[in-house]
Amino acid sequence: AQSVTQLGSHVSVSEGALVLLRCNYSSSVPPYLFWYVQYPNQGLQLLLKYTSAATLVKGINGFEAEFKKSETSFHLTKPSAHMSDAAEYFCAVNTGRRALTFGSGTRLQVQP
Amino acid sequence: GAGVSQSPSNKVTEKGKDVELRCDPISGHTALYWYRQSLGQGLEFLIYFQGNSAPDKSGLPSDRFSAERTGGSVSTLTIQRTQQEDSAVYLCASSDSASGIIGELFFGEGSRLTVL
Repeated sequence: AQSVTQLGSHVSVSEGALVLLRCNYSSSVPPYLFWYVQYPNQGLQLLLKYTSAATLVKGINGFEAEFKKSETSFHLTKPSAHMSDAAEYFCAVNTGRRALTFGSGTRLQVQP
Repeated sequence: GAGVSQSPSNKVTEKGKDVELRCDPISGHTALYWYRQSLGQGLEFLIYFQGNSAPDKSGLPSDRFSAERTGGSVSTLTIQRTQQEDSAVYLCASSDSASGIIGELFFGEGSRLTVL
């Protein structure tokens, strides 16, 4: 079985502050892990992915995530938030099954 | 088209009516997925098509839900006898074979269904 848990359905940060969105996964086999972003009234787009190469993965728009097997985590970070980062972020896992399993999402608000 | 296209973008229907939602994937993509996004919920997997293989229907919530994919391209998700709990955004995604295996999906903007 595969699953992901996103801690915090809403996160609010000030512009310029660190962004940290948490994701923990459960998998009986080595997983592929993903972060997707959904801007208002749009579909999801891939932000970054971990596919068993480097454990620190860099994505678009300055985001990165680190795969930590010992903690079963794949948290998403960005050093300095921008107003345009306001969106909903989804963590997802795939262990070779034919469809991704998504978390419940974290809505990021960026305060001026 | 350049991306995944879904129609209608918004659908309001009365309880008990049937609805059809359409998805036109990216040209050449062999894999097609349907997900449901309910308010405050994550994405719930519904069904997956890959080429000519039998679809993975394991996520369909009831026998009122069905989907088909004609000619390996366009897909239609049908909900019969709609209920209020069917109200959600229905998202379609496609991928090529290699990318799909590792989860790089391309999503449409969704069809928002409201059942009154």
